[in-house]
Amino acid sequence: DAGVIQSPRHEVTEMGQEVTLRCKPISGHDYLFWYRQTMMRGLELLIYFNNNVPIDDSGMPEDRFSAKMPNASFSTLKIQPSEPRDSAVYFCASSLGIHTEAFFGQGTRLTVV
Amino acid sequence: AQTVTQSQPEMSVQEAETVTLSCTYDTSESDYYLFWYKQPPSRQMILVIRQEAYKQQNATENRFSVNFQKAAKSFSLKISDSQLGDAAMYFCAYLGMYSGGGADGLTFGKGTHLIIQP
Repeated sequence: DAGVIQSPRHEVTEMGQEVTLRCKPISGHDYLFWYRQTMMRGLELLIYFNNNVPIDDSGMPEDRFSAKMPNASFSTLKIQPSEPRDSAVYFCASSLGIHTEAFFGQGTRLTVV
Repeated sequence: AQTVTQSQPEMSVQEAETVTLSCTYDTSESDYYLFWYKQPPSRQMILVIRQEAYKQQNATENRFSVNFQKAAKSFSLKISDSQLGDAAMYFCAYLGMYSGGGADGLTFGKGTHLIIQP
């Protein structure tokens, strides 16, 4: 397996624009996580899915953020409208179980200007 | 809520020497997992080592070993025979055993930047 695949690797957008980040988890993994990494706050869990169903979105910072998992092999994290303070690295990770090793993608570096 | 603290923002070690990275955590749970992740400049988060809280034996993976002190809530990482490729950010992370209530997913420390001096 190629591991967790995220796209794009880098995204630069203007304030107010919609941004969509994409993730393909490892095949067979039942759990998918979205994390955000910033200098100030470190790595934070935003939301996670189990078998395509969102289980906990308490880490999603605002209503501008939304995440979907339409099938077992694809998830999106959308920010609409984007703001400069959303600039961060966004990681997707997947795991077989909730307490098993999480495998991370290479992240998307988002810059909102 | 669980918290993970890494008190060393940066550490430096000579190549081939041994270095220990510190991590403490706070939890009211008795069963949980602890991890060390490595993040090189490529940004990829790579699992280095994992420890189950119910296991008394410290985990070891080749040159990497941990000193797990459950009563002290301490989980340090020892890297022996440091190599240039070990240079990276190292994150300590906690994972609770029980699901629900926003306690799921990894809780990370702020990281330690490890520099390897040739």
